[in-house]
Amino acid sequence: SQKIEQNSEALNIQEGKTATLTCNYTNYSPAYLQWYRQDPGRGPVFLLLIRENEKEKRKERLKVTFDTTLKQSLFHITASQPADSATYLCALASRSGNTGKLIFGQGTTLQVKP
Amino acid sequence: GAGVSQSPSNKVTEKGKDVELRCDPISGHTALYWYRQSLGQGLEFLIYFQGNSAPDKSGLPSDRFSAERTGGSVSTLTIQRTQQEDSAVYLCASSAGTSSYEQYFGPGTRLTVT
Repeated sequence: SQKIEQNSEALNIQEGKTATLTCNYTNYSPAYLQWYRQDPGRGPVFLLLIRENEKEKRKERLKVTFDTTLKQSLFHITASQPADSATYLCALASRSGNTGKLIFGQGTTLQVKP
Repeated sequence: GAGVSQSPSNKVTEKGKDVELRCDPISGHTALYWYRQSLGQGLEFLIYFQGNSAPDKSGLPSDRFSAERTGGSVSTLTIQRTQQEDSAVYLCASSAGTSSYEQYFGPGTRLTVT
């Protein structure tokens, strides 16, 4: 069956370090992958999208990689700040049919300590 | 401009009652999605509307769940004969299209079935 896995354990890092979050998937061929940020009590907020034919995408302090051979995406936050503390969700869109439908991972909680 | 809005923000209902949850998408967005998020879990896709096309209902967990979208704008998710396992946060999102477009989420409706 299709499965998306993100580290269920919270990631704790020191301010200024680079945070790296992992998203692995099985039995799936996504056309593209998105990363969202979710703060407690709020809906997710879109961060980045990367297509299957792209290896890397950057936006300010954020970087996403997409390896369709390893079936893995890595999400990096450089020079992390306490304000980056949140839960980060990866979401995959199917290659076929309705490509608007996203399948979400369970999210990884990031805690950046000052 | 205004984002996605949802009402009510919180709903407490007794087991067996019907509930209606409302979503107002961003004006001009043609696609609308409903998700469910249980405590500490990722988002579970429920249903998707795109323009005048037939909705994708593949994520609805049972026939007690239904949704409609009137005039291509406002959507209502209805849960009949609520059960305790229906307790969750129900999130609505809209997007400008279905392919490679980020989704904009509302704040969600927290449903508690007692």
